[in-house]
Amino acid sequence: GAVVSQHPSRVICKSGTSVKIECRSLDFQATTMFWYRQFPKQSLMLMATSNEGSKATYEQGVEKDKFLINHASLTLSTLTVTSAHPEDSSFYICSASRRSSYNSPLHFGNGTRLTVT
Amino acid sequence: GIQVEQSPPDLILQEGANSTLRCNFSDSVNNLQWFHQNPWGQLINLFYIPSGTKQNGRLSATTVATERYSLLYISSSQTTDSGVYFCAVEQDDYKLSFGAGTTVTVRA
Repeated sequence: GAVVSQHPSRVICKSGTSVKIECRSLDFQATTMFWYRQFPKQSLMLMATSNEGSKATYEQGVEKDKFLINHASLTLSTLTVTSAHPEDSSFYICSASRRSSYNSPLHFGNGTRLTVT
Repeated sequence: GIQVEQSPPDLILQEGANSTLRCNFSDSVNNLQWFHQNPWGQLINLFYIPSGTKQNGRLSATTVATERYSLLYISSSQTTDSGVYFCAVEQDDYKLSFGAGTTVTVRA
């Protein structure tokens, strides 16, 4: 069964509003979670690394004030798209690992399809 | 950063056919995973295979880490195999770098 839960699966919002996406590890603690973004017919691009109890690490070119990440507990990370615009419309997907070393796979949530009108 | 190249970009198969997807990567890796993304966007873990060969039903995968490539084999393809197949690699920082994917269409 699913080990990473992501919610909501789909959201439509108006320009200027903010949207929060949740990512939960269901039966394990994840000190690190990752947020990816995928445009139609393209690959997944890492946006940021979410670290429990500390600030997220953003990839080059990703606006940290635009995409707020909070990892307040060992099982929950949230991504908030602030003041959303139509160009923020995309598929957002999170991943988490139950690992403590490099010997187990990363698991992904089912993704959130964001449409900004 | 590391480069991950997948081939072919698109693949059209008749139901029952076999196929091979390839993933080349430009540097040594700690982890390699194959995923299937279905039409709803869900990423399904197929294999965690930093080296060696694994099989799961009609799918199998081989990674030759020293030569920096991995192969995904689909045998007796079915229409439900359609979707995008991604190869992703991880180096020292737990971050996965994805290839561009191979879009597979299996026709009945």
